[in-house]
Amino acid sequence: DAGVTQSPTHLIKTRGQHVTLRCSPISGHKSVSWYQQVLGQGPQFIFQYYEKEERGRGNFPDRFSARQFPNYSSELNVNALLLGDSALYLCASSSRVGGQPQHFGDGTRLSIL
Amino acid sequence: GIQVEQSPPDLILQEGANSTLRCNFSDSVNNLQWFHQNPWGQLINLFYIPSGTKQNGRLSATTVATERYSLLYISSSQTTDSGVYFCAVGGGSYIPTFGRGTSLIVHP
Repeated sequence: DAGVTQSPTHLIKTRGQHVTLRCSPISGHKSVSWYQQVLGQGPQFIFQYYEKEERGRGNFPDRFSARQFPNYSSELNVNALLLGDSALYLCASSSRVGGQPQHFGDGTRLSIL
Repeated sequence: GIQVEQSPPDLILQEGANSTLRCNFSDSVNNLQWFHQNPWGQLINLFYIPSGTKQNGRLSATTVATERYSLLYISSSQTTDSGVYFCAVGGGSYIPTFGRGTSLIVHP
């Protein structure tokens, strides 16, 4: 079975632009979470979705938004990009919220010029 | 929120050596995972271990939830073990908090 897949793998944008990142969970997994990892730090939680509803939100500005589709795939949108948004964006899936291990995709490496 | 501290921050080993990585957390948790992030940035699940002890080959982990710590043991280290090891913990809502990681370099 395929693992968590993310697209694109790499992306270069300029300040002020917006970006959409995509994630497909492991088949059968209904929960998707998004993380931002800047160089030298651990991943920081952004959003968690389960059954198309937001179940958790980290300490990120409103420029960050996400949604989950009926097939449980998810999109992360970031508007008005800043240089500080340069990071590795990771998606993780699990079969349900809470008490289950998370499985991560390979990430999207976003660079802001 | 829950605070997670990992130690040591950096570790350099010769191939074949053993090591112990530690994860301390500030509150009771019902989820704890250990990950290995390889040099290409891929986060690999090692253990899901909210309590107890597990072993997988040369790796093993122990979580003592009542004392709020977890240990990851690496025996007979190999160069492919190099990378960053993260502990991630979650409480009731399972919004996980990652530590800052332990960076491991294994020399041949």
